[in-house]
Amino acid sequence: DAKTTQPTSMDCAEGRAANLPCNHSTISGNEYVYWYRQIHSQGPQYIIHGLKNNETNEMASLIITEDRKSSTLILPHATLRDTAVYYCIVRVYGGSQGNLIFGKGTKLSVKP
Amino acid sequence: DTGVSQNPRHKITKRGQNVTFRCDPISEHNRLYWYRQTLGQGPEFLTYFQNEAQLEKSRLLSDRFSAERPKGSFSTLEIQRTEQGDSAMYLCASSFQDSNSPLHFGNGTRLTVT
Repeated sequence: DAKTTQPTSMDCAEGRAANLPCNHSTISGNEYVYWYRQIHSQGPQYIIHGLKNNETNEMASLIITEDRKSSTLILPHATLRDTAVYYCIVRVYGGSQGNLIFGKGTKLSVKP
Repeated sequence: DTGVSQNPRHKITKRGQNVTFRCDPISEHNRLYWYRQTLGQGPEFLTYFQNEAQLEKSRLLSDRFSAERPKGSFSTLEIQRTEQGDSAMYLCASSFQDSNSPLHFGNGTRLTVT
């Protein structure tokens, strides 16, 4: 089962920041937080991941709380093309288990 | 395009027929994963390979399903005696061996069993 909780859906105005929350209260010390998104009829697209420090790349920023029980994905200037389902996933580092366990994600709708 | 490639993109088959899908991973990646996704749900893990070795299989992978990666490069997923419940999107992903390496997904094969 997925170890994260996300809102089912969110709206965001085009050009504004989209802040997508995720709860992972049972996260272990060796688990990373990953974010993927899936645009209709395409495969999931990797966005960003982190362990405990905040991370930023060309797509988004990831803010992880100090206790690591929740995180927020930030799309700084949302566009219509950012409309997608966003998945927050915790993933064990190391060992033989390398797969991702997806939940239902958050459907983000960016509106003009 | 150097991403993960899946063929065919769409497959329609009659119940009881066998189908086979192909996945070509990113060439430098030695891990390859298969997932299944039904409408309104997130992808579900089926199995993964490290090079040619199949290291993990989900309980979702019934004995009608078989996956191979004979030379550690491309992989095939075969479904025998298809059932209507097999209708889904079948996704392939690849990654480096490092367990922290992100998975990169293809655009999937959509299977419809009539």
